[in-house]
Amino acid sequence: EAGVAQSPRYKIIEKRQSVAFWCNPISGHATLYWYQQILGQGPKLLIQFQNNGVVDDSQLPKDRFSAERLKGVDSTLKIQPAKLEDSAVYLCASSPGGAGSPLHFGNGTRLTVT
Amino acid sequence: AQSVTQLGSHVSVSEGALVLLRCNYSSSVPPYLFWYVQYPNQGLQLLLKYTSAATLVKGINGFEAEFKKSETSFHLTKPSAHMSDAAEYFCAVKDTSGTYKYIFGTGTRLKVLA
Repeated sequence: EAGVAQSPRYKIIEKRQSVAFWCNPISGHATLYWYQQILGQGPKLLIQFQNNGVVDDSQLPKDRFSAERLKGVDSTLKIQPAKLEDSAVYLCASSPGGAGSPLHFGNGTRLTVT
Repeated sequence: AQSVTQLGSHVSVSEGALVLLRCNYSSSVPPYLFWYVQYPNQGLQLLLKYTSAATLVKGINGFEAEFKKSETSFHLTKPSAHMSDAAEYFCAVKDTSGTYKYIFGTGTRLKVLA
C-alpha cells in the first residue's frame, strides 16, 4: 500500500510569512494527525481528525495555526504568521482506527523560519 | 493522564553488543504501547506494538520488547547491535480513555560504535 504522502519536504521562510503543508493519508484511514517535532524532542500532537471532524486540537496555537481535512481525506496545515519558534519538522500520520492500531507516518516537512 | 518516560536521551553500544532502551509508562488502564524508530530526515517507522496479547513482543530488525505490568515498563532490546541500528527511538502510549491520542516519549538516540 502507498504510504502517507507529505509535501513539501523542506521549506524556508522568513518570520511573519505564511506557509502551508499538505498531507495525503493512507487510503481508508479514518484518523489523521499532525505532529510538531522540534529538534531533539518527541513528536507533539497539534491536531487529530476523525474523518473530517476535529477530535483534539487542544495543543494547536489557534492564533496562528489552522488545519482542515476536506472530504475526510487530504489535509492541510497552515501557519500564519510564522515565528522563529515554529522551526520544526511537521509530521502527518494516519491510522485506520481501532484500539490497537498503530500510526503510520509520512516523512515530514522540515520548516526553517529565519 | 497517560505518559511515557524514556530514560537516557543518548545510548552508545559497541557493534555486536546488547541494546537496551528503557521506557516506563503511566496509565490507569491497560495501555497500548509502541516503539518507533526514526532515521535522519525520515518519519517514524513502527518497530513493534503491545496490545494486551503476549507480554513479549517481537518486532522488525531483530528488536523485541517485554511488557511488565508490575514495573510499568516496556523496554526495547536487541541481542546484537548493528551499525544500521543507529537512529532515534521513541516509545509511545495510546490513550485508551476516549480520544485515542498517541503520546510520545522524548526519544533515545542510539549510537553504535565500530
